[in-house]
Amino acid sequence: AQTVTQSQPEMSVQEAETVTLSCTYDTSESDYYLFWYKQPPSRQMILVIRQEAYKQQNATENRFSVNFQKAAKSFSLKISDSQLGDAAMYFCASANNDMRFGAGTRLTVKP
Amino acid sequence: KAGVTQTPRYLIKTRGQQVTLSCSPISGHRSVSWYQQTPGQGLQFLFEYFSETQRNKGNFPGRFSGRQFSNSRSEMNVSTLELGDSALYLCASSRQGTTYNEQFFGPGTRLTVL
Repeated sequence: AQTVTQSQPEMSVQEAETVTLSCTYDTSESDYYLFWYKQPPSRQMILVIRQEAYKQQNATENRFSVNFQKAAKSFSLKISDSQLGDAAMYFCASANNDMRFGAGTRLTVKP
Repeated sequence: KAGVTQTPRYLIKTRGQQVTLSCSPISGHRSVSWYQQTPGQGLQFLFEYFSETQRNKGNFPGRFSGRQFSNSRSEMNVSTLELGDSALYLCASSRQGTTYNEQFFGPGTRLTVL
């Protein structure tokens, strides 16, 4: 069974600064995918970034990047140059036959 | 391209009743997954349908069921509602399935059980 743990219920960052959200996971599968989703107050979940477990290179999407440590089963999300629109709940998820989500981290961006 | 739509957006029911929620995926998407989101349990996977067949199922009682039609639209049904079923129910569609493809989420149906 897959489990996903996000140990930071809340995080805060100053606008234009960098913040890192933590995620660890546990899976017995060798082939899986990892995701970060964003859920703004409007509630529509949006994919932020995706990482294939078999790829060693860390995924990046503009200001968003991950630090994927497969041996440690760690998958953190770094947001650079934080913007007010980044304020949201962020969910880490792993997927193989189904998708498991972490409890989420609420990110606040201070102007 | 229209996004994932869910109807109704809000629903109020009483204990013991049953409810049916609907999800229309993005055109061309064949996989629909359902999730329950509550403050206490977070986001939990309910089931996934692909080409009218249930492909995966989460750890929920048999009161939760679903189906998918030939046009990929999906419905989920909850019978004998309990107070604990109050939640935001999200559906997500993807071309192939949950594992390798980006899922697009709908806005959700907020179910309140009184």
